[in-house]
Amino acid sequence: NAGVTQTPKFQVLKTGQSMTLQCAQDMNHEYMSWYRQDPGMGLRLIHYSVGAGITDQGEVPNGYNVSRSTTEDFPLRLLSAAPSQTSVYFCASSFVSSRRLYNEQFFGPGTRLTVL
Amino acid sequence: AQSVAQPEDQVNVAEGNPLTVKCTYSVSGNPYLFWYVQYPNRGLQFLLKYITGDNLVKGSYGFEAEFNKSQTSFHLKKPSALVSDSALYFCAVYMNRDDKIIFGKGTRLHILP
Repeated sequence: NAGVTQTPKFQVLKTGQSMTLQCAQDMNHEYMSWYRQDPGMGLRLIHYSVGAGITDQGEVPNGYNVSRSTTEDFPLRLLSAAPSQTSVYFCASSFVSSRRLYNEQFFGPGTRLTVL
Repeated sequence: AQSVAQPEDQVNVAEGNPLTVKCTYSVSGNPYLFWYVQYPNRGLQFLLKYITGDNLVKGSYGFEAEFNKSQTSFHLKKPSALVSDSALYFCAVYMNRDDKIIFGKGTRLHILP
């Protein structure tokens, strides 16, 4: 099992550009999420999904879109990049038992994004 | 508002001494609590969780955590610290009202040789 994979590992964008951060998992996990990690701010939840076709907003969703057309993939789209979106982005997935989310999450290696 | 707090940005401990990394929470209903560790340039790794049952939970790498309902705390502990325990530690809480998992800001643990 590859676990949770993220591409790219590094990305530099100019203000106003758009891009998609890819996330895939091969563990058949229903729950997937995106976090951003900033110094002194910890991990903040951007968007999450409890299954294919279902997404919801986290703490900091503005400027980001997600979709979940398959169980395996959960891409994060930056619509018009801004310097404030410079961060490290982590994707995570988790098994959901009896529709209660109390299983540990598996994290990808992260994408380091710089917006100039 | 439901939240989780880690009151210390950094904790320094001498190798061989016991360590504690603090976490407090504020949630409605029964809390589901987690600890994760992050090594440099890596994603987070699960250490342990409290769902129900014994207040003392044992996890990976010799770590344990004590759930205290009256103090709304879930402190991470280890009896004897190793230099290799130096990392960033995150406490997290599952908010069952809306299926979110919220993380604290993290505590950097330095184990001094």
